[in-house]
Amino acid sequence: DAGVTQSPTHLIKTRGQQVTLRCSPKSGHDTVSWYQQALGQGPQFIFQYYEEEERQRGNFPDRFSGHQFPNYSSELNVNALLLGDSALYLCASSSPLGGGAFFGQGTRLTVV
Amino acid sequence: ELKVEQNPLFLSMQEGKNYTIYCNYSTTSDRLYWYRQDPGKSLESLFVLLSNGAVKQEGRLMASLDTKARLSTLHITAAVHDLSATYFCAVGAAGNNRKLIWGLGTSLAVNP
Repeated sequence: DAGVTQSPTHLIKTRGQQVTLRCSPKSGHDTVSWYQQALGQGPQFIFQYYEEEERQRGNFPDRFSGHQFPNYSSELNVNALLLGDSALYLCASSSPLGGGAFFGQGTRLTVV
Repeated sequence: ELKVEQNPLFLSMQEGKNYTIYCNYSTTSDRLYWYRQDPGKSLESLFVLLSNGAVKQEGRLMASLDTKARLSTLHITAAVHDLSATYFCAVGAAGNNRKLIWGLGTSLAVNP
């Protein structure tokens, strides 16, 4: 089992551009959550996908959007990038059986 | 609204010493998680605590949960340098077993 995998691992974008980050959940997990972690901060919940729908959303603007595919993988899209969007973006998957969330290695996004 | 507070936020300790990290949360929850994060890395699950009075131990770390006091502790016994990392507690939002609310983290440095 490869666990939770994210791509790419690092990304540099220019202000105003758009970015797509990808996540494949751990085998057997059906729920994917996305978090933003700024340097020196704890993870901030962006949104959660289950059954291909956004089920929960944190306090993030509409520039942040996502998608979940039938195979449970997920994408996070951010439009009109701002310098403040620079952060580590973490994907976590969880199982209907509980047991907490398992995290991917993250995507380090730098906006210049 | 569920809020999670950790203290201390920074902890510098000598090898061989004992210390406790505290995690308080503001509203009812039935699950609490402890994670470890090394610099630049993703989050590693340490403990899942699901019931009042739950105690779990792994090596030099022991976690406990008191749901009545809305308090969890992470106790470090005879610290070693390898334990240097940031430790996060995360609490499951009531009615939603997938969304996690995070503390700010405790940055632990264990010095020789």
